[in-house]
Amino acid sequence: DAGVIQSPRHEVTEMGQEVTLRCKPISGHNSLFWYRQTMMRGLELLIYFNNNVPIDDSGMPEDRFSAKMPNASFSTLKIQPSEPRDSAVYFCASRGRGQRYEQFFGPGTRLTVL
Amino acid sequence: DAKTTQPNSMESNEEEPVHLPCNHSTISGTDYIHWYRQLPSQGPEYVIHGLTSNVNNRMASLAIAEDRKSSTLILHRATLRDAAVYYCILSHIQGAQKLVFGQGTRLTINP
Repeated sequence: DAGVIQSPRHEVTEMGQEVTLRCKPISGHNSLFWYRQTMMRGLELLIYFNNNVPIDDSGMPEDRFSAKMPNASFSTLKIQPSEPRDSAVYFCASRGRGQRYEQFFGPGTRLTVL
Repeated sequence: DAKTTQPNSMESNEEEPVHLPCNHSTISGTDYIHWYRQLPSQGPEYVIHGLTSNVNNRMASLAIAEDRKSSTLILHRATLRDAAVYYCILSHIQGAQKLVFGQGTRLTINP
C-alpha cells in the first residue's frame, strides 16, 4: 500500500494567491483528517470527514479555508486568499473502518506564503 | 478534551530502555490513552493505545497507573531511529476520531 499521498510536497506562493492542497487517503479508509502544524501552535486538527461527509470543521481558522471530499479517494484543502500566517506544514491522515483509533498520516505539504 | 502533561524533552542512550511519562489527572472513565510519535520531517505515526490494562505491541509497551491518572510509554531497547517527538493524547471512546495533540516530549537518543 502506498500510504496517504499528499501533493504538492512543497508550495511557495505569494500573499493573496489561491492555494489548493490535495490528499489521497489509503484505499478502503472511510475517515479523513486535515491537520496543520506550526512551531507556535503545534499540531491542530482543522477538519475531518466520515464517508466523505464533513463531521467537525471547528478547527478551520476562518472563511478563507475550505475543504472538500468529492469521493472516497480524494480530498482538497483550499486557502483563498492566502496570507503569510498560513505558512505551515499541512498533514492529511486517514483511518479505516476496522481501525477505530489508528490514524495514518501522509508526509505533509510545506506551505510558504510570502 | 482532557489535558495531558509531558516533559518537554528527554535523553537516553542507544540500546537502553526509555520510559516516557504522561500525566492526565483529569482523565475520565471513557477516555482512551493514545501515543503517537513524529520522526523528523515526517507525519505522526501511531505507537500504541490503551484504556485500563497495560498493553504491548511490536513497537512499545504502555503502562497505565491503577488510578489512570498517569501512564508511561516504554521503549524496551531504544535505537537512533526512535529519536522523535512523542505525543500522549486522550480521546473519548465516542469521539475517538478526534486527536488533540499537545507539545509532546522530544526524545534524543545518544549513540
